[in-house]
Amino acid sequence: GAVVSQHPSRVICKSGTSVKIECRSLDFQATTMFWYRQFPKQSLMLMATSNEGSKATYEQGVEKDKFLINHASLTLSTLTVTSAHPEDSSFYICSAKLAGAQETQYFGPGTRLLVL
Amino acid sequence: AQSVTQLDSHVSVSEGTPVLLRCNYSSSYSPSLFWYVQHPNKGLQLLLKYTSAATLVKGINGFEAEFKKSETSFHLTKPSAHMSDAAEYFCVVSPNNAGNMLTFGGGTRLMVKP
Repeated sequence: GAVVSQHPSRVICKSGTSVKIECRSLDFQATTMFWYRQFPKQSLMLMATSNEGSKATYEQGVEKDKFLINHASLTLSTLTVTSAHPEDSSFYICSAKLAGAQETQYFGPGTRLLVL
Repeated sequence: AQSVTQLDSHVSVSEGTPVLLRCNYSSSYSPSLFWYVQHPNKGLQLLLKYTSAATLVKGINGFEAEFKKSETSFHLTKPSAHMSDAAEYFCVVSPNNAGNMLTFGGGTRLMVKP
């Protein structure tokens, strides 16, 4: 149980284009999903917290107009990197919390984005 | 405020020998503590968690960790390393019963020599 998937696992795009990454909770309902960014050989940095049916809460320094987050259902959140640039190349990881549970986040396998 | 310090960025052990990955934390609240493992180009897998119950926590794959409040530590151990344990390990803290506020340590890369 508590499986989180991400699609795609890897994506390469040209500079200036937009890329959408999906995060799905496969066997549970997730009222809250989180998006993290991980640079090579570094730890995870929280980008935003996404609550189903409401606007995402972004961490300081994260541009909400560049990283669009939609959480339209209890099993799906999407992150769209708009007008991507090479510096947006990174490993993006989502996680989800079980509805009603307090502590544990379950993580997806990550999406490797390379912007040329 | 909360923070996590993983004292070693790299740890190298021989297969079959014990593993010790060190973690110290600070938190204004009664914390929950986690260890996650990340294999190359993969997401994070929960190894174990402490949430104010027993101070010695047993996790998957033979790992365990002991919460020591007096030392503000939550070190991860395993009696005998296996080649498949080679990965990146993250110590994570959150205020108890508030899973929204995870703070990650910098990570420790565990290397296992044959």
